[in-house]
Amino acid sequence: EPEVTQTPSHQVTQMGQEVILRCVPISNHLYFYWYRQILGQKVEFLVSFYNNEISEKSEIFDDQFSVERPDGSNFTLKIRSTKLEDSAMYFCASSAERMGTEAFFGQGTRLTVV
Amino acid sequence: AQSVTQLGSHVSVSEGALVLLRCNYSSSVPPYLFWYVQYPNQGLQLLLKYTTGATLVKGINGFEAEFKKSETSFHLTKPSAHMSDAAEYFCAVSDGPSGGSYIPTFGRGTSLIVHP
Repeated sequence: EPEVTQTPSHQVTQMGQEVILRCVPISNHLYFYWYRQILGQKVEFLVSFYNNEISEKSEIFDDQFSVERPDGSNFTLKIRSTKLEDSAMYFCASSAERMGTEAFFGQGTRLTVV
Repeated sequence: AQSVTQLGSHVSVSEGALVLLRCNYSSSVPPYLFWYVQYPNQGLQLLLKYTTGATLVKGINGFEAEFKKSETSFHLTKPSAHMSDAAEYFCAVSDGPSGGSYIPTFGRGTSLIVHP
């Protein structure tokens, strides 16, 4: 069964460092998403990506964040200068269509900023 | 803008007992509603969704949910809990076709604990 894969499963980084979280969406999907979940809080939408550009983003997704699809298979989330409050579980998701469709989620990357 | 409230961060049931996980939403347009489950060390998996049509929707693993517009609720139920149902459950809402955003908004999640 096709699945969304994320690497690494856990990353520890020092405050101020850049991190790149990687995702391989399901191959025929067209829409890609990043969500995050701070421990004990709700899953929050960060950004959606379609046709090689951002289609929607939340207020969380500020200039410190960027996404790209560098090679047609990977979908990455970069945090330029990490802060302690960026510590969270980051989920990548993809979907084949837009409205009312099922989004398939990866297992998440736990980012710990120290 | 949509929002989701899941009542109870933890729900504990005995094996074989009824499972009821509560979800209330707010949306300015007719919503699409989802329940996702997350097993330990795995990603979010869709249990069921409501888009249009029948308000009682059946999902995987014996779960079902009923869309009640008058109560703005989409509670998840299962008649008989199994040990393997222990997981984190997330309710989510997105705008339907008449809305501006299809991005699901999630609740905080409810951890289901099943006792032998």
